Formats: sequence, structure tokens, C-alpha cells
Amino acid sequence: KAGVTQTPRYLIKTRGQQVTLSCSPISGHRSVSWYQQTPGQGLQFLFEYFSETQRNKGNFPGRFSGRQFSNSRSEMNVSTLELGDSALYLCASSLGTSGDIAKNIQYFGAGTRLSVL
Amino acid sequence: AQKVTQAQTEISVVEKEDVTLDCVYETRDTTYYLFWYKQPPSGELVFLIRRNSFDEQNEISGRYSWNFQKSTSSFNFTITASQVVDSAVYFCALSEARGGATNKLIFGTGTLLAVQP
Repeated sequence: KAGVTQTPRYLIKTRGQQVTLSCSPISGHRSVSWYQQTPGQGLQFLFEYFSETQRNKGNFPGRFSGRQFSNSRSEMNVSTLELGDSALYLCASSLGTSGDIAKNIQYFGAGTRLSVL
Repeated sequence: AQKVTQAQTEISVVEKEDVTLDCVYETRDTTYYLFWYKQPPSGELVFLIRRNSFDEQNEISGRYSWNFQKSTSSFNFTITASQVVDSAVYFCALSEARGGATNKLIFGTGTLLAVQP
């Protein structure tokens, strides 16, 4: 069974540009969560999507947005990039169904490393 | 507020030594879940274990064991007879169970484990 796939693996952008990152969850998983990892702030939750709806959101500015498609694939977008957005962006998927927390273990992809120059 | 503290930033051991990674958490909820993830240099977070707040039984899986103590709000991880392949950053994480499914993980700052041959 294929794991969580994130593309691209590496990205270099300049300040002010926008970027879109993609995440394909494990087959059958309906929940996709995004995390930002930086040396200074560590791993921080961005948002979670389930059945094409944002179910939870972290404390990030509106420049960070996401969406989920009917096949559960997800994209996140960062507009007007800042130097501080340089980070490893990790996507995680889980079955996501409520009422059965035992199925909600999150499995992570290898991440997209974004460098903003 | 939820918080996870991993006081050990970096640990270096020689192969075959036992090593314990500490994790202390804070939460006001009575139902919550604790996790350990491993992050090798490739960047992907690898799920190791999840415990719920009602199950304080210690768990052993091969060379790995976990000690969960609610009285001290700790969830420590021990690797017995460490190997070079255990070298990685290890993260402890907490999630609260609200309405069933919740996928927001609060991570500690991680402990870098270096196992020398």
C-alpha cells in the first residue's frame, strides 16, 4: 500500500511569490492534515481537511490556505511568501472517521522543503 | 493549554547502550492521546506508538518500551541495546479527543538521538 506522497520534494521561491504544495493521502484515508516544521518553532499544526471541508485550523495567517478534493488529495497554498515561510511542510493522512479514534493515527509523508529567498 | 516538553535536546550514546527519552505533557482534558514519532534524516515522521489517557499499561515492542505515568504527566520512551539505525529525532506528541475524531497534534521540540558505533 502506497504511503503519503508529497510533491514536489524541494522548492525554491522568492519573497512575494506564491506556492502550492500537493499531498496524496494513503488510499482510503479521508483526513489530511498539514504541519510546518522550522528550527525555531518546531512542528506546528496548520490545518486539517476531511471530506473536502476544513475541520480544524492552527494559528497561522490567512496567507496560508488549503483545500481538499473529492479524491481526498489536498493542496496547500502560501501567498505573498516571506523569508520566515522557509520550512519543511509535512502532510499527514488518517482515516479520519469520528467515533473510532483508534483509526485516527496520522501517517506522514516525507515533506516538501520550501526555501524562500 | 496543551503543551509537550522534551527537555533533552540531544543525546549521544554508544551502540548497545540503553537510552531513555523523556516526555512531559500538560493538558486539562481527561481524555487525550499521546504519541511518539521518529524522524530520520529523510524527513518523514514515522509513527511508533499511541496511548490513550485511560490506559497506563506500559508497552514493549522489541527493543522499544514506553512508560506512561499520569501521576507525573510523563510518557517516556526507552530503547534497549541501541543501534546505529536508531539515530534520528524523536518527537512526543499530544492530541485531545473532542467529539471523536481529532487530528491536531501538539508536538514537543524533539530529541536528537545519535548512536555511535
